[in-house]
Amino acid sequence: KQEVTQIPAALSVPEGENLVLNCSFTDSAIYNLQWFRQDPGKGLTSLLLIQSSQREQTSGRLNASLDKSSGRSTLYIAASQPGDSATYLCAAFTQGGSEKLVFGKGTKLTVNP
Amino acid sequence: NAGVTQTPKFQVLKTGQSMTLQCAQDMNHEYMSWYRQDPGMGLRLIHYSVGAGITDQGEVPNGYNVSRSTTEDFPLRLLSAAPSQTSVYFCASSYSWVGNQPQHFGDGTRLSIL
Repeated sequence: KQEVTQIPAALSVPEGENLVLNCSFTDSAIYNLQWFRQDPGKGLTSLLLIQSSQREQTSGRLNASLDKSSGRSTLYIAASQPGDSATYLCAAFTQGGSEKLVFGKGTKLTVNP
Repeated sequence: NAGVTQTPKFQVLKTGQSMTLQCAQDMNHEYMSWYRQDPGMGLRLIHYSVGAGITDQGEVPNGYNVSRSTTEDFPLRLLSAAPSQTSVYFCASSYSWVGNQPQHFGDGTRLSIL
């Protein structure tokens, strides 16, 4: 059974810092690894998707990497801004007869002005 | 495009009542799914569908039914509401389940069972 873990559960940083959010998964048989952002009381917004054959994806100040062999993904946020404050969720789209997205519990990020 | 639309946004039910949470997408997506989000538990998959007429169970299917008669709609039915089903419910869709397309989420339905 796939399990996805995110560390830390919460993170508070001053504006302008570069930061890394961590995600680990137990089963490497995945189609892709996705990172989402969730604002309070809102739905999830897709940030980056890394296919299983890829090593990283970039969008603006965001860079996500994937290492299937070690079961790890990281989300790098450059030059953080107060508007980046949200909960960040990673999810592994798992193979094996039950195609589904398995989520971590998220990292709540606060960027202080 | 409207994307993924969920209705209602809020609902309060009494124990034992039944109701249907609606989910519709206008992107011609084949893959649709329902999740519930609870504090400390994260998002958990309830049911999913890889196309019209095909549904399957996720991690927490008990107490819920789904059907997929059209590509656009994927309603979630609570058969006899229980307080344990108090949660925020999210519907999601993607072009395919093969793995190269991101999931699009609705804004959620906040459900309270008294």
